[in-house]
Amino acid sequence: SAEVTQDPAVSVALGQTVRITCQGDSLRFYYASWYQQKPGQAPVVVIYGKNNRPSGIPDRFSGSTSGNTASLIINGAQAEDEADYYCSSRDSSGNHYVFGTGTKVTVL
Amino acid sequence: QVQLQESGPGLVKPSQTLSLTCTVSGGSISSTSYFWTWIRQPAGKGLEWIGRIYTSGSTNYNPSLKSRVTISMDTSMTRISLRLSSVTAADTAVYYCARGWSSREAAVDVFDIWGQGTMVTVSS
Repeated sequence: SAEVTQDPAVSVALGQTVRITCQGDSLRFYYASWYQQKPGQAPVVVIYGKNNRPSGIPDRFSGSTSGNTASLIINGAQAEDEADYYCSSRDSSGNHYVFGTGTKVTVL
Repeated sequence: QVQLQESGPGLVKPSQTLSLTCTVSGGSISSTSYFWTWIRQPAGKGLEWIGRIYTSGSTNYNPSLKSRVTISMDTSMTRISLRLSSVTAADTAVYYCARGWSSREAAVDVFDIWGQGTMVTVSS
């Protein structure tokens, strides 16, 4: 069974806010990192740690954690944000990594 | 700017060993600040972490693949290698190499640079 789970799909109206969640016991101890993947492309990290954005990632992307749930928030979603989003964290042993099942974000 | 490029056979026969190389340019793989990892993605499916290697040579592998996986590095040639033995059709996927770093103190882990990926098909 997956150690971190995500909702399969969410949709958001253009310019509105969407929250993508990732649940897993390891998230109580380790921050998730979040990756955006567009069709035919390699994943790109958009959020890591408590709420860190790599250079070049728009500030409409943010992250938060509460208990065993990590969230990626897109505040004012744009058409180019339509993609698959994956969370990643350590597993329960702390020595390996797991990816969430992925969430497909559709911008309407 | 560090770039990663995966390479290797695109077709592997069942029961044989898959061998891929990740070539790092624009930087050294000998830095102790980073580790190097392999991740794969079957068509239309999610990402699966395969394993990682530190500059020291220390490795961690996905428990579900551990008996078949070997990751190694060649610091003089700036390459990281992946070997996966006894492959089946279930190993057909795009294989990515990525650079990672972590901080236990800050509870942070991130795969910050990825290669473009290479497609491997297991078929006779």
